[in-house]
Amino acid sequence: AQSVTQPDIHITVSEGASLELRCNYSYGATPYLFWYVQSPGQGLQLLLKYFSGDTLVQGIKGFEAEFKRSQSSFNLRKPSVHWSDAAEYFCAVGASQGGKLIFGQGTELSVKP
Amino acid sequence: DSGVTQTPKHLITATGQRVTLRCSPRSGDLSVYWYQQSLDQGLQFLIQYYNGEERAKGNILERFSAQQFPDLHSELNLSSLELGDSALYFCASSPGLAGGGETQYFGPGTRLLVL
Repeated sequence: AQSVTQPDIHITVSEGASLELRCNYSYGATPYLFWYVQSPGQGLQLLLKYFSGDTLVQGIKGFEAEFKRSQSSFNLRKPSVHWSDAAEYFCAVGASQGGKLIFGQGTELSVKP
Repeated sequence: DSGVTQTPKHLITATGQRVTLRCSPRSGDLSVYWYQQSLDQGLQFLIQYYNGEERAKGNILERFSAQQFPDLHSELNLSSLELGDSALYFCASSPGLAGGGETQYFGPGTRLLVL
């Protein structure tokens, strides 16, 4: 069965520090992968997506993610975190049957001044 | 702003009641998805409609039902509500039926509180 695991429930980083949020997926073929961000009281905003091609994808707000098939991972990175990045981040895989998204449990990011 | 609208933003009701959540997809999108976000279950897919027809079902309770109307807006009906139905309900839309490869755009959600 398809699944997504985000091992870190909560991460705290200092403003200006680099960030990496981990995501591992279980999928039989080439997956469609997404990262969404949810700010408090807000809906889900798409940060970036991977469908095929270049394994390093760029997204909005300075985020990037790298697809590594050998590790079944799709980690999200940002070189320098801003206080406004504090939010919850969700990794998701697009199901092969139908269009549903399967989400990880989310990683809550706190940013220290 | 994703272009997906949901009403109401907040809903407080009592156990045993029935409520209807409404979603208007982005202009031109034919697929609508409903998701439930709760503390214990996380984000779970409920159901998908495409151009008025049900296309996929997830972990949707029998007490819940949905439909998509000719103008493509969708409604999620929750009946015989229980305390455990308290959650944030999201609607998302996408252009068509390209399966998992389509980007879904999410609305702001409806927060349901069952007392």
